[in-house]
Amino acid sequence: KQEVTQIPAALSVPEGENLVLNCSFTDSAIYNLQWFRQDPGKGLTSLLLIQSSQREQTSGRLNASLDKSSGRSTLYIAASQPGDSATYLCAVPRNSGGYQKVTFGIGTKLQVIP
Amino acid sequence: EAGVAQSPRYKIIEKRQSVAFWCNPISGHATLYWYQQILGQGPKLLIQFQNNGVVDDSQLPKDRFSAERLKGVDSTLKIQPAKLEDSAVYLCASSFLGAQELFFGEGSRLTVL
Repeated sequence: KQEVTQIPAALSVPEGENLVLNCSFTDSAIYNLQWFRQDPGKGLTSLLLIQSSQREQTSGRLNASLDKSSGRSTLYIAASQPGDSATYLCAVPRNSGGYQKVTFGIGTKLQVIP
Repeated sequence: EAGVAQSPRYKIIEKRQSVAFWCNPISGHATLYWYQQILGQGPKLLIQFQNNGVVDDSQLPKDRFSAERLKGVDSTLKIQPAKLEDSAVYLCASSFLGAQELFFGEGSRLTVL
């Protein structure tokens, strides 16, 4: 059974700071790893998808890395802005009976203070 | 390209009543997922469809929850009768095939009084 842990559970930083969110998983036999953003009362918005063969992916101020062997991924946010305030979740799909089974962490709630 | 559509966005019902949620996935996406997200928790998979067949419903409370995906396109999730602990956001997601990027709808927030 896959277990996904996200640390820290909550984070408050001043605007402009660079920050790192962590995601760890117990089963390294994964297809890929996906980072999402969730605003209050909204659905999940995909930020980055890293395939199992990749080490990192970048989109604008976001950079996600993946180390399958150690069961870890990090999401780096550069020059944080108040608009980055949201909950960030990682999702880890693995093969289960020939189908993709996705396990989510509980997320890191980020607050960027102006 | 249209995203995943869900309705209704909000629903308030009394316990023991029934409710249904609808989801229309992104066109061409074979895999459809229903997740339950309780406040402060990550999404929990209720049921996963591949086309119109169920591939995982191990966490679906089958005594009160049911879901169908007719013709392998849109899907309906029903709760009957609802309990207080069913208060949550019900998220629908789709992917082109397995092992592909997930796309989520805005969710349907259910409050059971």
